[in-house]
Amino acid sequence: QVQLQESGPGLVKPSETLSLTCTVSGGSISSYYWSWIRQPAGKGLEWIGRIYKSGSTNYNPSLKSRVTMSLDTSKNQLSLKLSSVTAADTAVYYCARDEALSGYPDYWGQGTLVTVSS
Amino acid sequence: QAVLTQPSSLSASPGASASLTCTLRSGINVGPYRMYWYQQKPGSPPQYLLRFKSDSDNQRASGVPSRFSASKVASANAGILLISGLQPEDEADYYCMIWHSTVVFFGGGTKLTVL
Repeated sequence: QVQLQESGPGLVKPSETLSLTCTVSGGSISSYYWSWIRQPAGKGLEWIGRIYKSGSTNYNPSLKSRVTMSLDTSKNQLSLKLSSVTAADTAVYYCARDEALSGYPDYWGQGTLVTVSS
Repeated sequence: QAVLTQPSSLSASPGASASLTCTLRSGINVGPYRMYWYQQKPGSPPQYLLRFKSDSDNQRASGVPSRFSASKVASANAGILLISGLQPEDEADYYCMIWHSTVVFFGGGTKLTVL
């Protein structure tokens, strides 16, 4: 069964770039789409975007100018970079695998809390 | 106005049924969309429950009890998650989701309290 684990700094300063990695085990990232989703404390889910093995991406228009996603097939990892962060970017960040046919996130990591603060 | 709107909370008694609604923004017709439903418990990631587009296009995730079902109400431009025979472990946040114009949208979530 596929498992996902997010990792990265838990604290990022305002105006800097948030960088997270998601390590996938139990399956290859060379198949499927892979998504990033975030959730501020006590609030709802926000889709950040997704990436395919070809490198093609779909980003949430509200974040598109600040988001970069990439894949490292040699390490079976995906990564997220979010630039120019503010306190509003403080959230639990999840990576997820998208189901092959319908494209909904079916397997999720446990999430990692990123706090933006000086 | 949000693409998907859910009531923030709902309470129901054990053994009763709960109907959770997810209303699409005016101008977006619920008919063509597959609506996905997730359950999230505190400290855990969301878990996919099921999807519904029509009576012939719907799916319940493996291991999800049959007392979880979904439908649409065209007149209300909404999707419905119905949970029958409520159990204490059904207390959770529930989110709806759709794909719209190559973007995923989630509803704001409904906190279901079983008491």
